[in-house]
Amino acid sequence: DVKVTQSSRYLVKRTGEKVFLECVQDMDHENMFWYRQDPGLGLRLIYFSYDVKMKEKGDIPEGYSVSREKKERFSLILESASTNQTSMYLCASINGLSTDTQYFGPGTRLTVL
Amino acid sequence: AQSVTQPDIHITVSEGASLELRCNYSYGATPYLFWYVQSPGQGLQLLLKYFSGDTLVQGIKGFEAEFKRSQSSFNLRKPSVHWSDAAEYFCAVGANRVNTGFQKLVFGTGTRLLVSP
Repeated sequence: DVKVTQSSRYLVKRTGEKVFLECVQDMDHENMFWYRQDPGLGLRLIYFSYDVKMKEKGDIPEGYSVSREKKERFSLILESASTNQTSMYLCASINGLSTDTQYFGPGTRLTVL
Repeated sequence: AQSVTQPDIHITVSEGASLELRCNYSYGATPYLFWYVQSPGQGLQLLLKYFSGDTLVQGIKGFEAEFKRSQSSFNLRKPSVHWSDAAEYFCAVGANRVNTGFQKLVFGTGTRLLVSP
């Protein structure tokens, strides 16, 4: 069974802290994504990676960075967390074909106080 | 740029009744279309997808969707709703990236389905 796991289901951080959200997939997928989900806004793409050490900005990259040192792991970094980054964060992965399915992790609900 | 509109924020349906969730998209080329479901506290699970061919697509859990190019729509249907279908449903359109082939998905804002006894 395919699996995308995220390191935490719930996370509470303080304003200004550096925050790491980790995502691991066991499907040997080439492409990985980070989305944030907010009520009334749906899912919005933050960053994605199409290969190890390769990354590309999505629609809302401001305030975020990413790291992909290994194929199976994709990290989202909040350099200095702010209250407007309180959200649900979803990781996803997909193989290289356009007809493949994106598989999602269970999400991390981040609260920044 | 592509976009997806889900005009209904909430829908309440009686258990056993039929369901239709609306989705309209904007995309210049032939779209790749998806419906995902998110149960409370869970990630997104793919219900069905359309790439080409038959415009009526069958998915998991008894769901189906019909692609209508003339209306730019991809509505999700189920003939008889079960209480376990209560969840949030997202429609998405995928755009191919020329150099890698995978889709970058653009999601609608979601429709929350409530099922009454």
